[in-house]
Amino acid sequence: NAGVMQNPRHLVRRRGQEARLRCSPMKGHSHVYWYRQLPEEGLKFMVYLQKENIIDESGMPKERFSAEFPKEGPSILRIQQVVRGDSAAYFCASSQIGGTSSYNEQFFGPGTRLTVL
Amino acid sequence: DAKTTQPNSMESNEEEPVHLPCNHSTISGTDYIHWYRQLPSQGPEYVIHGLTSNVNNRMASLAIAEDRKSSTLILHRATLRDAAVYYCILRDGGGYGKLTFGQGTILTVHP
Repeated sequence: NAGVMQNPRHLVRRRGQEARLRCSPMKGHSHVYWYRQLPEEGLKFMVYLQKENIIDESGMPKERFSAEFPKEGPSILRIQQVVRGDSAAYFCASSQIGGTSSYNEQFFGPGTRLTVL
Repeated sequence: DAKTTQPNSMESNEEEPVHLPCNHSTISGTDYIHWYRQLPSQGPEYVIHGLTSNVNNRMASLAIAEDRKSSTLILHRATLRDAAVYYCILRDGGGYGKLTFGQGTILTVHP
């Protein structure tokens, strides 16, 4: 059973370009979470999605960032007009249940390391 | 989310036990105690969780104080592969699935 897959693993963009980060959850998982880890900082929650729905986006910057998890295909984290401060590792996690259960373990992907030149 | 406090760093020797403490004095009755760890250049991985009773699994043991205001993650025989940042996280049993990470404890294991 393949784990959470993220691609690309490394992404380099110039200021002003768009970055698209993809996350394929584990088989059977319908809940996806995105986290960001800035250099020398801890992991910060960004957004929590269920198929076709955003459940919690309290950690998402108000501008330039968006996320989706379509019925078919991977979850996408999209960053428009990237700036140097967006350089970070972006981790995706998936879980089987999500929501109200505290038992459900989150399985993390290897991350996408975004560098903005 | 209730706050947790962990030491910034700890050191251990290989094949010795490691006790990683976590204080959570404002824990509520419905909060579960979860531990995750993050190895260098990798995503976090689940280690263990508990509510009131001590818990054991293949990776570690979790000892929870009787008043639940603190807990200890125990690695019975540290290996070099256990060098990581360990995060103690409280999750409300009725809340959202997001994880709120603190600064964690950096564990260094010496050969």
